[in-house]
Amino acid sequence: SQQGEEDPQALSIQEGENATMNCSYKTSINNLQWYRQNSGRGLVHLILIRSNEREKHSGRLRVTLDTSKKSSSLLITASRAADTASYFCASMEYGNKLVFGAGTILRVKS
Amino acid sequence: NAGVTQTPKFRVLKTGQSMTLLCAQDMNHEYMYWYRQDPGMGLRLIHYSVGEGTTAKGEVPDGYNVSRLKKQNFLLGLESAAPSQTSVYFCASSYQGGAGNEQFFGPGTRLTVL
Repeated sequence: SQQGEEDPQALSIQEGENATMNCSYKTSINNLQWYRQNSGRGLVHLILIRSNEREKHSGRLRVTLDTSKKSSSLLITASRAADTASYFCASMEYGNKLVFGAGTILRVKS
Repeated sequence: NAGVTQTPKFRVLKTGQSMTLLCAQDMNHEYMYWYRQDPGMGLRLIHYSVGEGTTAKGEVPDGYNVSRLKKQNFLLGLESAAPSQTSVYFCASSYQGGAGNEQFFGPGTRLTVL
């Protein structure tokens, strides 16, 4: 399998706390993307970070990328119950294909 | 805009039956993709298309065929369904492949093969 790995597999936190999810990938990439999937729904794009960027912010989301370690992290600050979902990283290899990780299940308790 | 739509939403097949899943997008996207999602494994690419009339194999193409006769539609066919093809199937599209292009996903088709 070419899939990357995500850590942790599941995360349960209280509303207002920060949530951090990590992702590792295997090959050289053009960019790395994070997606959210609510239960029983399709994936929704959250944020994209290019291979020449180290950090990117979007609202309560902060993504970092370390190409030397082939890893990325997604931080959600001040979490809300509505953030409960599965989160997937996807590495864009050269050649237009996204390779998805297995995902992190986040549960935010109110 | 409806975005990406998939038909049907649910289907139960018997082993050996055939079916076609339809994906449609109204965003004038060039690229379209079919993925399958299995528990604990994320999404795996089955086939994709970089434009009308073109298709290419992804990571797990065996047992599936696709066609892209119209730019807005991407069909996924199962000629002889097997229980191993029980999964949730997602279609996605993007304006282009490569850098800076997010993929837009449909709501999924849940397929059970008995």
